[in-house]
Amino acid sequence: AQSVTQLGSHVSVSEGALVLLRCNYSSSVPPYLFWYVQYPNQGLQLLLKYTSAATLVKGINGFEAEFKKSETSFHLTKPSAHMSDAAEYFCAARPSGGYNKLIFGAGTRLAVHP
Amino acid sequence: DGGITQSPKYLFRKEGQNVTLSCEQNLNHDAMYWYRQDPGQGLRLIYYSQIVNDFQKGDIAEGYSVSREKKESFPLTVTSAQKNPTAFYLCASSIQEGPSPLHFGNGTRLTVT
Repeated sequence: AQSVTQLGSHVSVSEGALVLLRCNYSSSVPPYLFWYVQYPNQGLQLLLKYTSAATLVKGINGFEAEFKKSETSFHLTKPSAHMSDAAEYFCAARPSGGYNKLIFGAGTRLAVHP
Repeated sequence: DGGITQSPKYLFRKEGQNVTLSCEQNLNHDAMYWYRQDPGQGLRLIYYSQIVNDFQKGDIAEGYSVSREKKESFPLTVTSAQKNPTAFYLCASSIQEGPSPLHFGNGTRLTVT
């Protein structure tokens, strides 16, 4: 069965520092991949998605992610963290073709300190 | 504005009572989903529906029931058979085709004591 692994349940960075959140998927066929952000007591908001059109995907709020097939990874980055980036981030995968059923990673909580 | 509305935001129930969580969407999406979120476990799929009057069990359907009588609505009932019902419940919708993302509501936090 396909799975999504997010390395690090908590990540802490300084304001202005690079943000790197890791995501790996298990699949012999590259799936569609998504990153979502969740603020406390709210639903999930789509940050970006990979659909095989380009390996480097740009999203909202200055985030981007790079799809690396050889590493089965889809890590999320942002060059300079802002206090407002503090939230929980979820990576999700859906098999290309077939029904739209997402598999989520366990999430990474990002803390940004001054 | 189009979106997904979940109500209520917070819900409190006594153990042994059934409770129904509301989910309405005006995005004209065919597919709707219910997820359960617990700390450190990500989101787990309870039920999903691809079309009106049809739905399928997800990974953790035991103790839950749903209906899909209208395209816009997908209520979730948490029954007394659900052993650990206290959680944050998220409803989502999407179009069926292609790599379409899920659109989420703002969730309902259910506390059962």
